[in-house]
Amino acid sequence: AQTVTQSQPEMSVQEAETVTLSCTYDTSENNYYLFWYKQPPSRQMILVIRQEAYKQQNATENRFSVNFQKAAKSFSLKISDSQLGDTAMYFCAFMKQALTSGTYKYIFGTGTRLKVLA
Amino acid sequence: KAGVTQTPRYLIKTRGQQVTLSCSPISGHRSVSWYQQTPGQGLQFLFEYFSETQRNKGNFPGRFSGRQFSNSRSEMNVSTLELGDSALYLCASSLWGASEQYFGPGTRLTVT
Repeated sequence: AQTVTQSQPEMSVQEAETVTLSCTYDTSENNYYLFWYKQPPSRQMILVIRQEAYKQQNATENRFSVNFQKAAKSFSLKISDSQLGDTAMYFCAFMKQALTSGTYKYIFGTGTRLKVLA
Repeated sequence: KAGVTQTPRYLIKTRGQQVTLSCSPISGHRSVSWYQQTPGQGLQFLFEYFSETQRNKGNFPGRFSGRQFSNSRSEMNVSTLELGDSALYLCASSLWGASEQYFGPGTRLTVT
């Protein structure tokens, strides 16, 4: 069974600095998707970044980038030039779709609470 | 384009009662998924509906059920509420299920 592990329940970073959130997963599949979602306090969860497992190039979205290590089953999120608005709970998620049935599994980690300090 | 909406936003029920939560997806999205979020367990997948059919189901007891209407709006029902059902229930919509999901603000259910 697939599992997603976020080993850092809480982290803090100074404004303008860089922080890396860890995520590891366990799967025997070869084709799947990985996501980082952000849930600000009392606000809706939004997608931060998405990575297809078949792509070797690491995904990047402005100040957010990932370090995808497929062999090590690691998918860390790097936030550069941290801003106060980055304060949120961050969830790592794994998704695998069965091509024949259309069914899929979407598994979330338990989250990392990130606080950006002024 | 309007986002995913969920009603009600807050709900307080007592043990043994039942509750119905509603989710309206983004226009054009046919897939609606439901999650239970608790501090200790994170997000747990409940089920997914696509074109009025339940296509995926998580490991929750039969007290948790749902349905989807022809306009893609979805409802989730929890019967015989237990204290442990207190959680934030999130709904997410997507175009075809495995594509990017857009989350609603959630319904916070408190069972006393």
